[in-house]
Amino acid sequence: GAGVSQSPRYKVAKRGQDVALRCDPISGHVSLFWYQQALGQGPEFLTYFQNEAQLDKSGLPSDRFFAERPEGSVSTLKIQRTQQEDSAVYLCASSLTAGPYEQYFGPGTRLTVT
Amino acid sequence: GQQLNQSPQSMFIQEGEDVSMNCTSSSIFNTWLWYKQDPGEGPVLLIALYKAGELTSNGRLTAQFGITRKDSFLNISASIPSDVGIYFCAGQKDQTGANNLFFGTGTRLTVIP
Repeated sequence: GAGVSQSPRYKVAKRGQDVALRCDPISGHVSLFWYQQALGQGPEFLTYFQNEAQLDKSGLPSDRFFAERPEGSVSTLKIQRTQQEDSAVYLCASSLTAGPYEQYFGPGTRLTVT
Repeated sequence: GQQLNQSPQSMFIQEGEDVSMNCTSSSIFNTWLWYKQDPGEGPVLLIALYKAGELTSNGRLTAQFGITRKDSFLNISASIPSDVGIYFCAGQKDQTGANNLFFGTGTRLTVIP
């Protein structure tokens, strides 16, 4: 596609529910990143994939957060037993190469946990 | 985590004025990127800088990669109403497996017609 797409754009979950957020990167992009953006803040890194390999998950805030990219294209970020502090915008970005390069962001998924 | 400080936090300017904002870090970065984010949207890449001292332009935007590699600057000339938004700097360390971005605190720009 023309750009990074994410779905759903908005998600409301009751505390304790599991959610799954999807990212479709730009076709052919090797690298995929997930970021979390709290209200009024800059995005913060969660995890990184190079093709299907998850090379860095140091930013995941707890073991309730899980990400996968099984075929090296679409990625899913899953949050189990959601808590109120998980409320944020979740952004996906993709990059053409494995090395340092520009990252292109999707529109984000706004998650609200009630 | 890494802290990138942007200043000013917010700016109110008249249409047609020039804008300057900067970003400083306590750490060295080998790549600097500038993004603009509109409400409800993801960040949009404006300019990428790869070399210390580099000065790069994109239309009315000009950005510089500081010599110390700990700072970067963004200038917008002749501002127009559609320049309104939040501008973020982002640094990248470019080490093996460490290509995630560290974002600044953002500068909110308001342009008064």
